[in-house]
Amino acid sequence: DAGITQSPRHKVTETGTPVTLRCHQTENHRYMYWYRQDPGHGLRLIHYSYGVKDTDKGEVSDGYSVSRSKTEDFLLTLESATSSQTSVYFCAISETRQGWNTEAFFGQGTRLTVV
Amino acid sequence: RKEVEQDPGPFNVPEGATVAFNCTYSNSASQSFFWYRQDCRKEPKLLMSVYSSGNEDGRFTAQLNRASQYISLLIRDSKLSDSATYLCVVSTSTGGYQKVTFGTGTKLQVIP
Repeated sequence: DAGITQSPRHKVTETGTPVTLRCHQTENHRYMYWYRQDPGHGLRLIHYSYGVKDTDKGEVSDGYSVSRSKTEDFLLTLESATSSQTSVYFCAISETRQGWNTEAFFGQGTRLTVV
Repeated sequence: RKEVEQDPGPFNVPEGATVAFNCTYSNSASQSFFWYRQDCRKEPKLLMSVYSSGNEDGRFTAQLNRASQYISLLIRDSKLSDSATYLCVVSTSTGGYQKVTFGTGTKLQVIP
């Protein structure tokens, strides 16, 4: 299995509080992604990173920010958690080899509940 | 239009049946294609990559049609253990950077 871990694995937090999820990889892959998965919507991209300090928004970025200060860590912050952000969050990594995009490997997910 | 579209199913098939899933994508510049499998409450895992010439892995066959912008997955001799959600994944290089987009998934239930 690819070396990618997410922490925490489960979290319950109150509305209005900031929350940070961490994704850590040991594969030295360039690309890192944060997705959320909700019933009926599948996996939706929140933010992604294509290098240290290089990030861009995905399709559902409102209310989220990210940071990547080193290759191995990609942090997702919910600035002020809302109940609509209750979801399962997945981090993924991928790379480009010889001009081709490789498959993405996923962390085990973080179940976040905002009450 | 969504970047990647799949029929959500569910597909309920008896053991031993053959089942096919299709997926369409909107960006003709998309470069790499994959099928992932996701079990309930687990992370998605790579099932197989999809190549232009088509590829087979045991009971699974994947095809890519670039002209029509769709990919397919065929599962022969379905097993109970094949019950899962199958995700179509498209990887696109945008401005020199890679973006990975998932379909919403097709749920398969294999029935005894």
